[in-house]
Amino acid sequence: QLQLQESGPGLVKPSETLSLTCTVSGGSISSSGYYWDWIRQPPGKGLEWIGSIYYSGTTYYNPSLKSRVTIFVDTSKNQFSLKVSSVTAADTAVYYCARRRSSWSPFDYWGQGTLVTVSS
Amino acid sequence: DIQMTQSPSTLSASVGDRVTITCRASQTISSWLAWYQQKPGKAPKLLIYKASSLESGVPSRFSGSGSGTEFTLTISSLQPDDFATYYCQQYDSYSPYTFGQGTKVEIK
Repeated sequence: QLQLQESGPGLVKPSETLSLTCTVSGGSISSSGYYWDWIRQPPGKGLEWIGSIYYSGTTYYNPSLKSRVTIFVDTSKNQFSLKVSSVTAADTAVYYCARRRSSWSPFDYWGQGTLVTVSS
Repeated sequence: DIQMTQSPSTLSASVGDRVTITCRASQTISSWLAWYQQKPGKAPKLLIYKASSLESGVPSRFSGSGSGTEFTLTISSLQPDDFATYYCQQYDSYSPYTFGQGTKVEIK
């Protein structure tokens, strides 16, 4: 059974960089066709797609965040990671990692989510 | 961006009721639409993909329909486990992917 698990600091100071890692178990991140995504949800609000990566390293970002977001993959560790720079309180959210079966698929597997709070 | 608008925002219903949630896209997305169920403190769970295909393991009381810009999620007979928030999501293109604002199904 595929499992995804987010990890990283739960508290980040304003103007600093938020860093999270998603560890994939029960399957290979290098499996052909699968895409690996980050999605976030501010407390009490809706869902926002952040971006996506293919195991080859090809990335796609939400234009609203593109200037501050980097997603990269480490196939040797079966992990992919997210960095969001210059964070503000508006970046406070539960961050989820997720998988898509193909480039034309929704998110079928999700991590449990991790709350990141931006505060001094 | 493609805007997704769900209605209603909140729905009060009883066990056994037939429930319908609507999702409208600001431009045509063919059938590239998914529905998710989210319970408090949990990740969303995929219910329906490609507008009307039932994800493996999801009860058959859930169904989806529509294409183009208008879509519906129907629960044929509401069960206690179905009280949750439901989201639609378009994946027509990396335009970017967008979600509806959610519909909370509450106990009447």
